[in-house]
Amino acid sequence: GAVVSQHPSRVICKSGTSVKIECRSLDFQATTMFWYRQFPKQSLMLMATSNEGSKATYEQGVEKDKFLINHASLTLSTLTVTSAHPEDSSFYICSARVMTDTQYFGPGTRLTVL
Amino acid sequence: DQQVKQNSPSLSVQEGRISILNCDYTNSMFDYFLWYKKYPAEGPTFLISISSIKDKNEDGRFTVFLNKSAKHLSLHIVPSQPGDSAVYFCAASGKAAGNKLTFGGGTRVLVKP
Repeated sequence: GAVVSQHPSRVICKSGTSVKIECRSLDFQATTMFWYRQFPKQSLMLMATSNEGSKATYEQGVEKDKFLINHASLTLSTLTVTSAHPEDSSFYICSARVMTDTQYFGPGTRLTVL
Repeated sequence: DQQVKQNSPSLSVQEGRISILNCDYTNSMFDYFLWYKKYPAEGPTFLISISSIKDKNEDGRFTVFLNKSAKHLSLHIVPSQPGDSAVYFCAASGKAAGNKLTFGGGTRVLVKP
């Protein structure tokens, strides 16, 4: 299957700082990437759809100014959590869609905001 | 309103036996269904998918069955192995939903040696 990487895998930051998470498709080009959030013992919650060369589409209830998404190339999308607070602590996962509707997921990033 | 449901939060099965995971959906516009396996603190791993034009798809130990009239799909794993112990998510998508995946709540599978 297609390989998707995420960096960093784990980050701890102070409240009020911004954190950038990178998502890369390693062996294919992805015009569409997705960002999810997973709370403990819950399913994945779609945050936004990232389209190369255009603005991201955010799901209802997700603050676009809080979670900035940039999809500057066909292999890279970034999620920046701005002015992070403890409630933003979570497991963030990206995915990339290939020609079918199958999405391949990155390994996830554990964000802890102190 | 949950459009994709996995009603069994957990499943325990003996090694070598069959694991059957079930998933129900309510949106008739879904036309593509997937199963993912997930370990803690890792991203989901794609296992198998099925299009709504089929009722069965098989890949090695994994078989997915789709019953469109009942809006039900299932994943069969046979024979089950201890390494299959993980959380399994079913997901559905469709053009009307913007091809976004809607996930079920997950089923935790424990395969006992």
